[in-house]
Amino acid sequence: DTGVSQNPRHKITKRGQNVTFRCDPISEHNRLYWYRQTLGQGPEFLTYFQNEAQLEKSRLLSDRFSAERPKGSFSTLEIQRTEQGDSAMYLCTTGGTGGSYTFGSGTRLTVV
Amino acid sequence: AQTVTQSQPEMSVQEAETVTLSCTYDTSESNYYLFWYKQPPSRQMILVIRQEAYKQQNATENRFSVNFQKAAKSFSLKISDSQLGDTAMYFCAFIGRGDEKLTFGTGTRLTIIP
Repeated sequence: DTGVSQNPRHKITKRGQNVTFRCDPISEHNRLYWYRQTLGQGPEFLTYFQNEAQLEKSRLLSDRFSAERPKGSFSTLEIQRTEQGDSAMYLCTTGGTGGSYTFGSGTRLTVV
Repeated sequence: AQTVTQSQPEMSVQEAETVTLSCTYDTSESNYYLFWYKQPPSRQMILVIRQEAYKQQNATENRFSVNFQKAAKSFSLKISDSQLGDTAMYFCAFIGRGDEKLTFGTGTRLTIIP
């Protein structure tokens, strides 16, 4: 039991399609983060929320990416007009600065 | 900007042996936290051990311990009595106090050989 549920686990999509991922923390957390992990690399920060407010976005988050956390609980990450370079594992995590970070199992996106 | 470097892409060790994974980092901050995360194949990333930079004492968690050298900006992980279940990718990570972004290294793939 990871404490953070991510769906779907795997997603294969054709280039140009839109995809949406969901992250559900099992317990309440003020802060929620999205990271992207490409093959052979460590995770890279994308964005984070404090409650429903999106407070920081990485340069990696192009205009085709949008993230929401409407009620301060679950979060969604949408990628529009997917490109092959978007193929990666998308990780959601909760936690606070200096504290323990709980990662979800991730959503593996493959763009063909 | 902070950087984290893991210079050992892959390592392997016999079961029950001790192995040390290396990590160096670069930062201008004085207060920060360092982590080692484990990512088993096809499973979620879990926290192995955490070190607060202002604490000189090295963190330990059962078979896992770190050698934190603040002046050298080095943060190695020692796994004692290695077990098959230790086979995983290991990531070193950094976060500045008051920051919200973890910076990860590129990882070390550790294989424990029966």
